[in-house]
Formats: sequence, structure tokens, C-alpha cells
Amino acid sequence: NAGVTQTPKFQVLKTGQSMTLQCAQDMNHNSMYWYRQDPGMGLRLIYYSASEGTTDKGEVPNGYNVSRLNKREFSLRLESAAPSQTSVYFCASAGGTDTQYFGPGTRLTVL
Amino acid sequence: QKEVEQNSGPLSVPEGAIASLNCTYSDRGSQSFFWYRQYSGKSPELIMFIYSNGDKEDGRFTAQLNKASQYVSLLIRDSQPSDSATYLCAVSNSGGGADGLTFGKGTHLIIQP
Repeated sequence: NAGVTQTPKFQVLKTGQSMTLQCAQDMNHNSMYWYRQDPGMGLRLIYYSASEGTTDKGEVPNGYNVSRLNKREFSLRLESAAPSQTSVYFCASAGGTDTQYFGPGTRLTVL
Repeated sequence: QKEVEQNSGPLSVPEGAIASLNCTYSDRGSQSFFWYRQYSGKSPELIMFIYSNGDKEDGRFTAQLNKASQYVSLLIRDSQPSDSATYLCAVSNSGGGADGLTFGKGTHLIIQP
């Protein structure tokens, strides 16, 4: 039981490049989330998916898109990366309660 | 805008003493409250959750909730050097739903051997 997994662990992009961050969970959870964590800012919600087939914006959705591919997988896409998107990105999932479990994170640098 | 406030620290506590971490929140409709621990370079790890007013104990950890005063605290008894980490307070308004958590910026705790 791996819990929540994320790929890649590290990524360096140039401004304007695109990429997709992948997240998968094997806990049969309905809800999945994407957060970013910046120094001094704490964790901020980007997008979430309450159940398969639905997605909603969080606090900081601009510049991102998401896809809930199936119950297990929830991806985050940066269409045109900007230096302001340099951050650590965490995926999380939750079952029947709002207790969330986090993946190991992706450290993204945009030059 | 929901807000969760924590003192950023660092909070320095001698080994074996009680560490007390505090958190206040702005939304009176908040239903569920969480404490996560985060080691440097790692992901947040759930320590405790609390839904009702009062105390909830789990081993060396006690969470305290006071909805009237809108604060939640975490006590760590018999503090160990391995407890040195950043502690994140998080609040959910969904009451079992799924619309995400609002996090405080975290308190950096240092346990001095």
C-alpha cells in the first residue's frame, strides 16, 4: 500500500514550457487535492476533486489546469510555466472524512 | 477569506518539557481541525484531528479545541528531539465534505537536548 505517490520528484523548467505533475492514490479515496507550498506562505489549495468526474478551483488556481483521470489519478498541468510557479507541489487524498493524506511532493523550479 | 493564524516561532523547548502550540481561525463555521507535522524537505504528516470542543489525547499528544474562542492548540508532553519540526494547523469547513483545508503558516518547534 503506497498511499499517495507523485511524479516527478524534481523538475526544472524554462519560462513558457509546459508540464504535467502526476498524482495517484491506492487508498480508494474519493477526494483528491493539489496544494502548493511557498516559504512564508504555508500550503495553499490550487484545485480539488471531490469525486471522480468533478473538479473545482481552490484559492490559487490561475495558471493551472487539472484532470481527474479516474478514481486513482489526479494530474496538475502548467500550460506556460512562469517563475512565480516555482514551488513545492503536494497532492493529497481523503476518504469519507476530510482527513487528508499527502504525497511526497514535487519540487519545481521555473527559470 | 478564511484565515488560520499561527505564531511562526521558532519555539524552543527543553527536552522532556511540554511544548504548547496554538492556532486561531477566523471562520466560525469551521467544523474540523487538524494538526500536521512537517519535517524539513518532507510532506505534511497527520498527527491529530479534533471535531468537538474539549481535549483529545493520543499518546504524548493532546489537541484542545475551543470553538467559542476560535482556537485550537496542540500539547506535546515529554518532548523529544525527534519532535523538532514545523507544526501546521489546518481547518476544514466542509464537515465531512471535500472542499479542502485552510492551513496556517506553521510553527517551527525546536526541542533542545
